[in-house]
Order: sequence, then structure tokens, then C-alpha cells
Amino acid sequence: GAVVSQHPSWVICKSGTSVKIECRSLDFQATTMFWYRQFPKQSLMLMATSNEGSKATYEQGVEKDKFLINHASLTLSTLTVTSAHPEDSSFYICSARKRGHSYNEQFFGPGTRLTVL
Amino acid sequence: GQQLNQSPQSMFIQEGEDVSMNCTSSSIFNTWLWYKQDPGEGPVLLIALYKAGELTSNGRLTAQFGITRKDSFLNISASIPSDVGIYFCAGRGAQKLVFGQGTRLTINP
Repeated sequence: GAVVSQHPSWVICKSGTSVKIECRSLDFQATTMFWYRQFPKQSLMLMATSNEGSKATYEQGVEKDKFLINHASLTLSTLTVTSAHPEDSSFYICSARKRGHSYNEQFFGPGTRLTVL
Repeated sequence: GQQLNQSPQSMFIQEGEDVSMNCTSSSIFNTWLWYKQDPGEGPVLLIALYKAGELTSNGRLTAQFGITRKDSFLNISASIPSDVGIYFCAGRGAQKLVFGQGTRLTINP
């Protein structure tokens, strides 16, 4: 199998606080992990791509100082939303690419719903 | 940047009916993918298409990769209640996927 988990599945926080979301590949090594954001009734928008052991590559318009990504191991990537504001409320989804596999083959996590009050 | 136009945005059908949705792009993609997303979940891959003109089936689902490599369609035959959800097309660009806006499928029993 190729299972990707995310934790937490949902989180509510106060404006100005930071929130960390974890993405884990449970039964495979993920050399690349992707972070997406999905607003209600909208599509998935790629935020950043992270390769194990190197800095993440952010998409245009995504603030790297606000959305901190760490891909410290082949099975774990974290996204930290710093100084969160209500407009950051969204559904955050990660995906992982297996070592040696194509970028077509991304396995998605179940998502984390962030609500910033 | 690359964009995918997916239509229709939503569909309301009767159980048992066939469904068709499509995606078009101004850019060429070398791979087209179709995903289904249930509420509060991540997308699940349904079909992957790798060659222009390719027609691939997965049970009641059939998808085709357009000859021009700028479009793809997904058909669902004899819909059942569990087909409800949001369907996304995705094209593979340079080391990343670009998603369409999604088609929300609602089925009346």
C-alpha cells in the first residue's frame, strides 16, 4: 500500500498563533512531499514542494516565511502556519511521491482543516 | 501559469444515468489524471493516462487522453450513490500537478 496520514485532521486556533501540521508516509519512503491548500468549493492549489533534506520550493504568491515547511526525514514533512489569520482558514492537503517513482504518482493524505478565529 | 478548465462545475443526475465531464487546457500535458474527492478527505486517483489518444477504463469509469494532449474526458456509466463526490482532472506539468476546478456530482436515488 501507500498510505499517507496527516495530523491533526482538524484544528481551531486563535488569530496570531502558529499551527503545525504533520504529513507522514506510513509504509513507504517519500523523497518528495507536496503541500496543497483548498478553499471551500475550489480546487487544490499547490503551495510548495519539499524534497527530503533540502529547502522547499514555494509556488508564486506563497509566503515562505509564513508557511514554513520542513522535510526532515523520508517519512515526515511538516507545515507550520505562522501568525495565522482568519484568511488562512482552509483545508490543507499533503501528498507524497515514492522514492524512484514518477511525479504522476502522488499519494494524498486525508487533509487538515484549519480554522483561525 | 498553466490552467485547466473543467466542466461542468456541477451535475445533478438520477441514479443509473451516465455521466460525462471534461477538462481542457491551453498547454500540452504529457499525463492526465482523474481523481475523486469525498467531503473532508484527500483526493484518490481513479485513472491515469500517459499517451495521447489513450482510452483507459477502471470498472464503470472510462477516461481518454485527447489527441492534442490539451484535453481529457471522464465518463461514468450507470451511476450509483457512492459515485457522489467531487471529481478533479489534473495534468502533470514540470514536476508538479495542475488541478482543474472540479465537478461536483450529486445523485438522486
